[in-house]
Amino acid sequence: NAGVTQTPKFQVLKTGQSMTLQCAQDMNHNSMYWYRQDPGMGLRLIYYSASEGTTDKGEVPNGYNVSRLNKREFSLRLESAAPSQTSVYFCASTYDGSGANVLTFGAGSRLTVL
Amino acid sequence: AQKITQTQPGMFVQEKEAVTLDCTYDTSDPSYGLFWYKQPSSGEMIFLIYQGSYDQQNATEGRYSLNFQKARKSANLVISASQLGDSAMYFCAMREDHRPNNAGNMLTFGGGTRLMVKP
Repeated sequence: NAGVTQTPKFQVLKTGQSMTLQCAQDMNHNSMYWYRQDPGMGLRLIYYSASEGTTDKGEVPNGYNVSRLNKREFSLRLESAAPSQTSVYFCASTYDGSGANVLTFGAGSRLTVL
Repeated sequence: AQKITQTQPGMFVQEKEAVTLDCTYDTSDPSYGLFWYKQPSSGEMIFLIYQGSYDQQNATEGRYSLNFQKARKSANLVISASQLGDSAMYFCAMREDHRPNNAGNMLTFGGGTRLMVKP
């Protein structure tokens, strides 16, 4: 049971390059999320997809785009990477938004932009 | 304004002692959930405990308990009988149930507390 799988785990980019972070879950969850974690800042929501076919901005969406490819997959794209996007990125998913439904996180993707 | 505040950037505790990690929250939504996650040095996020705003009793999960004081808007995590493996970052998070755009289980996180357990 893989849970939430993120790729790649590590990536180094130069300023201006583009890349896509991939996320897939095998738990039949409806909602998926992308967070970033900066030192001392906790996790901040970039984008989310409450259900297949919908995406919405979170707290810090600038510089990112997302695609909910199907129920399992939710990708995050950096079109023109900037040093301020150096961070650890977490994908997460949950069945729905009710009660004690818990977010399950991927292992994280560490991105460095030079 | 910060929705989740964790005022202790770092804490030490002696092995086998209990420790309380503070969390205060700010919301006008009458229905919400509060979560605690652990992040060890390996980086993964591990769910520890959940408290719903309408739950009458404080949540407990093994050595973890949540001291929920609704009127004070606090949701402190208590770890009993600390172990060396408890050394990690701990995050408090909140889900507000009446959000626009069907935001679902969107969590807002605090800045975290680093707990260090001394042998």
